[in-house]
Amino acid sequence: GQNIDQPTEMTATEGAIVQINCTYQTSGFNGLFWYQQHAGEAPTFLSYNVLDGLEEKGRFSSFLSRSKGYSYLLLKELQMKDSASYLCAVRWENTGFQKLVFGTGTRLLVSP
Amino acid sequence: DAGVTQSPTHLIKTRGQQVTLRCSPKSGHDTVSWYQQALGQGPQFIFQYYEEEERQRGNFPDRFSGHQFPNYSSELNVNALLLGDSALYLCASSLEDRGSDTQYFGPGTRLTVL
Repeated sequence: GQNIDQPTEMTATEGAIVQINCTYQTSGFNGLFWYQQHAGEAPTFLSYNVLDGLEEKGRFSSFLSRSKGYSYLLLKELQMKDSASYLCAVRWENTGFQKLVFGTGTRLLVSP
Repeated sequence: DAGVTQSPTHLIKTRGQQVTLRCSPKSGHDTVSWYQQALGQGPQFIFQYYEEEERQRGNFPDRFSGHQFPNYSSELNVNALLLGDSALYLCASSLEDRGSDTQYFGPGTRLTVL
């Protein structure tokens, strides 16, 4: 199937580091996206991985292992404004190149 | 650089009615995808339009239809509304490119069916 698994909820404190994991089916994999979504707002693009390894963008990094069907989003120096849902989305060749399948999202709560 | 825009922001309809939602893609983008997001869930793919044709479709009934215009803007139509159609409807635009072709989302239309 096209199941994408990510934790439902995570909590962390300001200034800390948090890692949000995402696992998916490897067959036909053709790219993984991370989006941030604040309550009541649209998803905002964070990162794209299609090759193995780490992509770094400021305080945010995303890692991919294609053989393991595993990705994580790493958020450093957490700020209160990072409280949001983080969506993992995958594209598979056998379901159409352009169709993104989203996980249910991980709700991150950052406390002072 | 204008981002993706959607209208209206909010909409309230009753069961059985029909609704049309509108989307203008980000400047330079030619592909529009529509998603439905229920509360507490991730977005679900409805369909995608490219070159004024529906290129791909998710698991949604025929009550959901769409259109893309020559200027790449798009409409989503939903007929015979059901209570379960209440959701946030998101439009995402991208540029046809077999590289990353990242999809960028608009602010969404919140549809409530009573």
